[in-house]
This record gives sequence, structure tokens and C-alpha cells, in this order.
Amino acid sequence: DAGVIQSPRHEVTEMGQEVTLRCKPISGHDYLFWYRQTMMRGLELLIYFNNNVPIDDSGMPEDRFSAKMPNASFSTLKIQPSEPRDSAVYFCASSLVGANYYEQYFGPGTRLTVT
Amino acid sequence: ELKVEQNPLFLSMQEGKNYTIYCNYSTTSDRLYWYRQDPGKSLESLFVLLSNGAVKQEGRLMASLDTKARLSTLHITAAVHDLSATYFCAVDAHNNNDMRFGAGTRLTVKP
Repeated sequence: DAGVIQSPRHEVTEMGQEVTLRCKPISGHDYLFWYRQTMMRGLELLIYFNNNVPIDDSGMPEDRFSAKMPNASFSTLKIQPSEPRDSAVYFCASSLVGANYYEQYFGPGTRLTVT
Repeated sequence: ELKVEQNPLFLSMQEGKNYTIYCNYSTTSDRLYWYRQDPGKSLESLFVLLSNGAVKQEGRLMASLDTKARLSTLHITAAVHDLSATYFCAVDAHNNNDMRFGAGTRLTVKP
């Protein structure tokens, strides 16, 4: 399996622009997670889906952030409008219940820089 | 709210030495995960600990879980440079895939 795929790997944009990050989970996995990692705040869970349905979005920082999962093989995280403080590495992860536990597999991440 | 605390946050050690990283968490859980992250890379799963007293070993790393003390340890034996990375513990308090990560321990192994 190819693992979790994220695109783009790097994104540089100007403040105020819309940014869309994409994720393809591992085939057959039914959970998908979006995380944000910064030096100051560490690794933060933003939102997660189960069977394409958002379960918990309490980590989404504000209304400028939105996430969708239109089908089992694709999810997007959108920031509109973007701000410099959104600069971070955004990880997507997926998992499948196995033997009564959930092991999350992380994608390579998207490094976002907002100038 | 579930809190996951790791210590130390930074660890510099000599090759060949032993050391332990600690992960404390604030609520009952019997599911704890350890991940490794190399600089500029993604997180890689190392261990899954599923019950009190669970112990897992892979090479020079050994992880254990004490659910009564709400503590997991990651023990490093005879460290080598290749172990230099950031190590995260994560706790799934409600067994519902809602994991909370510690701040990470940045390990540097010096020759």
C-alpha cells in the first residue's frame, strides 16, 4: 500500500489567500484525522472523521478552517482566508480498528507558509 | 480534559548510555502509543500498549505501561546515533480513536 498521501508537500501563500490541503487515506481505513504541528503548540488534533462523517471538530481553531470528506478516499482541509499564524505542518492520518485498538498512520505532511 | 505530559522534553545523551523517557497522563486509559519523528519527517508508529503491565521491545527500545500509575516509559539501551529523533507518546482515553499526544521528547545521541 502507498500509505497516506498528502498534497501539496509544500505550500507558500500570501495572507488572505485560500489554501486547500488534500489527503488520501490508506485504502480500507475508516478513520481520518487532520493534525497541525508547530513548535509552540506541538501536535494538535484539528478534526477527525469516521466513515466520512465528522466526529469531533473541536480542535478546529476558528471558522476560517473547514474540512470535508466527500468519500472514503479523499479529504480536504481548507483555510480561507489564510493568516501568517496558520503557518505550520499539517498532517493527515488514517486508521482502522484492529484487535481492539487504533493505530494511526501518518502522511508525510504539508508544510504551509503564509507570508 | 485529558493531559499527556512527557519528560524530559529534551534529552542529550552519549552513545552507549541508557536512559528512560516518561509519559504521564491524567485519566484512566489502557491504550497508549509511542511514535517516532525524524526532523522534517512524518510520525512513525513504534509501539502499541494495550493493557496494564504490557511491555514491548524493538531493538534498543523498550516500552512499558502501568495503567494504575497512569505512566508509560520508553527505555533506551546502549543508545546509538540512529536513535536521534523526537519521540511522542499518545493516549486514547476513551478507546474511540481520539488520541492526545504529549509534547514530544527530542533525543540527541552524541558520539
